[in-house]
Amino acid sequence: SYELTQPPSVSVSPGQTARITCSGDALPKQYAYWYQQKPGQAPVLVIYKDSERPSGIPERFSGSSSGTTVTLTISGVQAEDEADYYCQSADSSGTFVVFGGGTKLTVL
Amino acid sequence: QVQLQESGPGLVKPSQTLSLTCTVSGGSISSGGYYWSWIRQHPGKGLEWIGYIYYSGSTYYNPSLKSRVTISVDTSKNQFSLKLSSVTAADTAVYYCARQSQGSGIHMGWFDPWGQGTLVTVSS
Repeated sequence: SYELTQPPSVSVSPGQTARITCSGDALPKQYAYWYQQKPGQAPVLVIYKDSERPSGIPERFSGSSSGTTVTLTISGVQAEDEADYYCQSADSSGTFVVFGGGTKLTVL
Repeated sequence: QVQLQESGPGLVKPSQTLSLTCTVSGGSISSGGYYWSWIRQHPGKGLEWIGYIYYSGSTYYNPSLKSRVTISVDTSKNQFSLKLSSVTAADTAVYYCARQSQGSGIHMGWFDPWGQGTLVTVSS
């Protein structure tokens, strides 16, 4: 079955830049989406179509794509950004939705 | 803005059928343009897409769960529902409903917004 691979954890100090990657063979053909999930809460969409930011999401959140890897970048990380982040995409034929395993962002 | 709310039993016995309902407010399921999805999250784990329904009743399920899943819609109540049969402890999870954008071509869309989620425990 198709999988998206994320690092289990990323740690940054406040004000620094956090980069969270997501790798998958179908990513050159499929859009990626990113969600932020804080403890006890539902996921919230922060990036769609690789790099588009929904209204209400701070400008410090950005997305990019290169080959089989997509990256969520959080510039000027704030304490409130500490959360789990999940990428989402689909297999190459668009048969099913797949989520990455999630990355826990720790703000030191 | 559109809001979603899950409801249903929090405890289900093994081998029985899990049944949940998602009530949509602030918008009409019948207006089209979106799929209505179920997603689950095992305790302390990642997200798993279960499937979606369109207001017309057409459905699409995760192949790994397809044999046990039924998603239905009641446009008169602005609700859609999930049934998962023959549950085991492995089906214990937080179940979310969400609105899924319609992708184009081979693209599956994104999920926004989500309901708050409801924990379903499978235990005797």
